Amino acid sequence: GQQVMQIPQYQHVQEGEDFTTYCNSSTTLSNIQWYKQRPGGHPVFLIQLVKSGEVKKQKRLTFQFGEAKKNSSLHITATQTTDVGTYFCPLPNQAGTALIFGKGTTLSVSS
Amino acid sequence: DTGVSQDPRHKITKRGQNVTFRCDPISEHNRLYWYRQTLGQGPEFLTYFQNEAQLEKSRLLSDRFSAERPKGSFSTLEIQRTEQGDSAMYLCASSLRLAGNLEGRNEQFFGPGTRLTVL
Repeated sequence: GQQVMQIPQYQHVQEGEDFTTYCNSSTTLSNIQWYKQRPGGHPVFLIQLVKSGEVKKQKRLTFQFGEAKKNSSLHITATQTTDVGTYFCPLPNQAGTALIFGKGTTLSVSS
Repeated sequence: DTGVSQDPRHKITKRGQNVTFRCDPISEHNRLYWYRQTLGQGPEFLTYFQNEAQLEKSRLLSDRFSAERPKGSFSTLEIQRTEQGDSAMYLCASSLRLAGNLEGRNEQFFGPGTRLTVL
């Protein structure tokens, strides 16, 4: 079945440093979504990418969808303490009816 | 508040007892999902409804778990004869899926969750 590999699992940065997390799928994806979960919170939708090679920006966050639609990345420029949390790139199941979450990438930021 | 709500937020129960959780999705959303999340893990899919029909259940969902969405609005998740391994955060999410809109945005909106502790 579909599997999501996300790296790194943990990342600690100093405030102001950049951060990138990568998501890889064993199969071609119709789309990919990114979610953020703050400590003690629930997952919150960030973005959905659909097109091959798509790049979308949200302020300091840049999302990319690979040309082959098998991988994606999230890059945060100049991290802030508010960026702390776990970032997930769940994959849609084959039926497209549910999301398969991995462990995500947990980001910690020290000031 | 027009977000997804869940009740209760916390539940402590003794092993062997039955518990029921409620989820109220965003009102116009036709899809509703239940997930379970334990510490250090991502949410694990349990089951999914389109309107009132339960269309998919995870193979990991034991027969002690049952979910309903009787009128296509709120949903309940019942766990019978709870076990200590059932301790987790139970998350509900909803989404709006338009017919034929295969690549449209179908993000899921999560509720705050119900934290279950089985003693």
